Amino acid sequence: DSGVTQTPKHLITATGQRVTLRCSPRSGDLSVYWYQQSLDQGLQFLIQYYNGEERAKGNILERFSAQQFPDLHSELNLSSLELGDSALYFCASSVGQGVYGYTFGSGTRLTVV
Amino acid sequence: GQQLNQSPQSMFIQEGEDVSMNCTSSSIFNTWLWYKQDPGEGPVLLIALYKAGELTSNGRLTAQFGITRKDSFLNISASIPSDVGIYFCAGQGAQKLVFGQGTRLTINP
Repeated sequence: DSGVTQTPKHLITATGQRVTLRCSPRSGDLSVYWYQQSLDQGLQFLIQYYNGEERAKGNILERFSAQQFPDLHSELNLSSLELGDSALYFCASSVGQGVYGYTFGSGTRLTVV
Repeated sequence: GQQLNQSPQSMFIQEGEDVSMNCTSSSIFNTWLWYKQDPGEGPVLLIALYKAGELTSNGRLTAQFGITRKDSFLNISASIPSDVGIYFCAGQGAQKLVFGQGTRLTINP
């Protein structure tokens, strides 16, 4: 157990729908990062939050949004889902900006049918 | 933006062989890290390097932080079946880690 909790582990939904992925960071970590990993692909950075504020944005689609709440958990919202959004979505956390690395959760596998 | 070139993309080896993979960048990084991802799981940190020229070992794994701070390599000695997975290098950028594309390691028993 890495200490980073992601729910749900699996999600199957239809095109056009909206889903919310949830992440609880490791205790004491203020930064949360979201990554997308498609089949046989690397880790594509989506977005970072630090203590409730957005800090960095990667290749995140306009249909996707995220937020970090006062208790530091984060949610990634994916809307108007398309088949190509099927992927593993990882959350990671770190104390600060990640000098000592990130701790990853086990991911949420999203399948859009 | 900053990019890491990781090679090889995939490796097919026999159990017991040594493995070597590397990452290069056009940018300088102050920290290099190596992660391993098992199938269906999140990446797990293997080794972190903080000084140019640093050579660090973790069991059968050895990693080095290049002198120019633009590259790093990871060696795995005497590979075993549980070494199978995807290995990612990562460099500490201005605000976040930049990841390589990964090296997929397959081991034939």
